[in-house]
Amino acid sequence: DAGVIQSPRHEVTEMGQEVTLRCKPISGHDYLFWYRQTMMRGLELLIYFNNNVPIDDSGMPEDRFSAKMPNASFSTLKIQPSEPRDSAVYFCASSLEGALIYEQYFGPGTRLTVT
Amino acid sequence: AQSVAQPEDQVNVAEGNPLTVKCTYSVSGNPYLFWYVQYPNRGLQFLLKYITGDNLVKGSYGFEAEFNKSQTSFHLKKPSALVSDSALYFCAVRDPPDKLIFGTGTRLQVFP
Repeated sequence: DAGVIQSPRHEVTEMGQEVTLRCKPISGHDYLFWYRQTMMRGLELLIYFNNNVPIDDSGMPEDRFSAKMPNASFSTLKIQPSEPRDSAVYFCASSLEGALIYEQYFGPGTRLTVT
Repeated sequence: AQSVAQPEDQVNVAEGNPLTVKCTYSVSGNPYLFWYVQYPNRGLQFLLKYITGDNLVKGSYGFEAEFNKSQTSFHLKKPSALVSDSALYFCAVRDPPDKLIFGTGTRLQVFP
């Protein structure tokens, strides 16, 4: 398996623009997690899905952020409109159910820069 | 609330020497504890976990961790450090039912 795939790897955009980050989890995994990593705040969980259903979005910073998982092999994280404080590395991770849920497989991340 | 603390931002060690990266935890209930590693420009990788059983847990790349209930600690160790071990290390704790809470990370620098 190719592992968790994220695109794009780098995104530079101007304030106010819409940004869409994409993730393909490992085939057969039941859970999908979106994280954000910054120097100031460390690694934060934004939202996670179980079997394509959003379970907990309490980490989503505000209404400008939205996430979807239309099927088991694809998820998006959208920011509209983007702001400079959204600059961060965004990770997608997936895992199996049961005791293995905590052994998460992370993608390489998308480095977002909002100017 | 579940939490972990990593008291050291950076740990420096010479190649061939033993290394320890510290982690303490605060949980309600039984702790499920984890270590992850992040190499430059990569996502996190799972190293090892403690759920129950033996207090000394062995993981990938020769790493091990010692669970100490009385000290509420879960320190990561390796008998002989390699330059290639240089990376960012995260301790994490289960936040039931499905989430992980990560620490702030400790940068390990191994010098030749």
